[in-house]
Amino acid sequence: GEDVEQSLFLSVREGDSSVINCTYTDSSSTYLYWYKQEPGAGLQLLTYIFSNMDMKQDQRLTVLLNKKDKHLSLRIADTQTGDSAIYFCAESIRRGYQKVTFGIGTKLQVIP
Amino acid sequence: DSGVTQTPKHLITATGQRVTLRCSPRSGDLSVYWYQQSLDQGLQFLIQYYNGEERAKGNILERFSAQQFPDLHSELNLSSLELGDSALYFCASSRSLGRGTNTGELFFGEGSRLTVL
Repeated sequence: GEDVEQSLFLSVREGDSSVINCTYTDSSSTYLYWYKQEPGAGLQLLTYIFSNMDMKQDQRLTVLLNKKDKHLSLRIADTQTGDSAIYFCAESIRRGYQKVTFGIGTKLQVIP
Repeated sequence: DSGVTQTPKHLITATGQRVTLRCSPRSGDLSVYWYQQSLDQGLQFLIQYYNGEERAKGNILERFSAQQFPDLHSELNLSSLELGDSALYFCASSRSLGRGTNTGELFFGEGSRLTVL
């Protein structure tokens, strides 16, 4: 079955890099996503990676995908206080219809 | 603004009562998803509809039900409410079932915060 796991909490100092990790179980995932939830708001797509890619870079964000280990990570370079939020890992599986499974969310706290 | 509208934003009710949460998806989106977010259990998938039909069911209690109407808006009905049902309920929509080149991005509403006293 589908299951996505991630740690609950991460604390970093402003200016440092943050790395949020995620593991998933279904090897037939087509897309893997990182969503961001700011306080009092809904989730918003931050970035995504197609399952046949190993890495994707978008400005301060780097997504690494290890399909063999079913491991996904999000690296935020030069973390700012505005990056404080909950980050959700998610996988999309398409078997006639799309099912998206989310992790529990990692709360990132950036210390000034 | 994601284009997904949820009402009400906040709701306070008593145990045993019944409430209805409403969601209007983005224009053109046929899929609607419902999620429950609580402090102790994180984001839990409840149910998914596509063009009026139920497509996937997650950890949805029997006391809860949902439907998607011909105009594509959706309602989540929560009955016999318990204290543990207090949570943030999110609706999300996506363009299609995910065929073709669609990346499957979900667009989330701002949520309906339910407090059961």
